[in-house]
Amino acid sequence: EVQLLESGGGLVHPGTSLRLSCAATGFTFSNYAMTWVRQAPGKGLEWVSSITDSGSNTYYADSVKGRFTISRDNSKSSLYLQMNSLRAEDTAIYYCAKYIIAGTPPDYWGQGTLVTVSS
Amino acid sequence: DIVVTQSPDSLAVSLGERATINCKTSQNVLYSSNSKNYLGWYQQKPGQPPKLLIYWASTRESGVPDRFSGSGSGTDFTLTISSLQAEDVAVYYCHDYFGTPWAFGQGTKVEIK
Repeated sequence: EVQLLESGGGLVHPGTSLRLSCAATGFTFSNYAMTWVRQAPGKGLEWVSSITDSGSNTYYADSVKGRFTISRDNSKSSLYLQMNSLRAEDTAIYYCAKYIIAGTPPDYWGQGTLVTVSS
Repeated sequence: DIVVTQSPDSLAVSLGERATINCKTSQNVLYSSNSKNYLGWYQQKPGQPPKLLIYWASTRESGVPDRFSGSGSGTDFTLTISSLQAEDVAVYYCHDYFGTPWAFGQGTKVEIK
């Protein structure tokens, strides 16, 4: 059974950093590209970042470019999102999701982890 | 960047009746080399992550009931629930995955009338 389990969320102050993790089981992690999508409380979905199966290519939304870094460790079947210089508008549930290749949609999402940025 | 706009923002439909959600992209998401529309539909129930229903605009994901169908091409798309069931109460999102940045519609909330 496919499982994606996010962790690392919490309450942080503006300007600080946080690292999210996503542990994958039930599929061959290294064969899939991965993505982070966030959802502010009561709002819609916003794509944050994606990474290819090998990790050689990464992509970012303009709203997080230069502040967030996506990475993966295929030996640990894990995806990460390093978030620096956090802002109040980064407050959201962060979902990790898998997709097979570029040009395909995410076909399975984790339950998400809540990040709250507040002073 | 592609902008995705859904309509309506919400709708209330009687059980067993048809629900129709529209999605419009600001640019063509039909890729001429393979004739595929890079447009998907997701269902999100309260407290749950999104669930993929439809991809390539009209291909139903495995396990999705056949009362869900997608249609359209280019810039105009539709998700139809042919006979609304109580378990279909959710927010539905269309999603352009033509290229980064990915875009999602703002969501359409479907309720029972």
